[in-house]
Amino acid sequence: DAGVIQSPRHEVTEMGQEVTLRCKPISGHDYLFWYRQTMMRGLELLIYFNNNVPIDDSGMPEDRFSAKMPNASFSTLKIQPSEPRDSAVYFCASTAAGVTPGSGNTIYFGEGSWLTVV
Amino acid sequence: EDQVTQSPEALRLQEGESSSLNCSYTVSGLRGLFWYRQDPGKGPEFLFTLYSAGEEKEKERLKATLTKKESFLHITAPKPEDSATYLCAVRTVPDNYGQNFVFGPGTRLSVLP
Repeated sequence: DAGVIQSPRHEVTEMGQEVTLRCKPISGHDYLFWYRQTMMRGLELLIYFNNNVPIDDSGMPEDRFSAKMPNASFSTLKIQPSEPRDSAVYFCASTAAGVTPGSGNTIYFGEGSWLTVV
Repeated sequence: EDQVTQSPEALRLQEGESSSLNCSYTVSGLRGLFWYRQDPGKGPEFLFTLYSAGEEKEKERLKATLTKKESFLHITAPKPEDSATYLCAVRTVPDNYGQNFVFGPGTRLSVLP
């Protein structure tokens, strides 16, 4: 399996520009997550989907952030307009349902998208 | 509120010098504790899942243990390639991988040759 695939790996953009990050989850996984990681705050959950439906977006910092999952194999995280404080690594992750003890299900992460807003 | 803390924040070891990393948690009901390894410029990579107090898992030089309040990641005779940030996470509600899957801040391990 190719794992969780994210693009772009690196993006440098100017303040005020729109940024779109993309994710392809592992085939067969029905949960998809967007995390943000910074030195100061560590890994923060922004939003997650189950079967393409957004379940909890309470971690999305503000209205400038939006996420969509039009089908089971694709999701986007959009920032419009971007600001320097949005600079971080954005991770997409996925997992499958099935949570009986010992099922071993864990969340699998992509390589991340490194965003720098100048 | 569910909380996960890790200590130390950073650890520097000489090659072959064994040590332990700590993950302490305060949760309403543990449904799984997970250890991840994260290399610079990479996403977190899954290592272990532990479900109940007394459980242990091993992989090469790493052994994870779990008590009712904390987990330890023991590193025996570490090598430079073990240098990474080690993250722990807890899941507190069955069938919920969202806000009830909480990560700790991590321990940055450096193993010097």
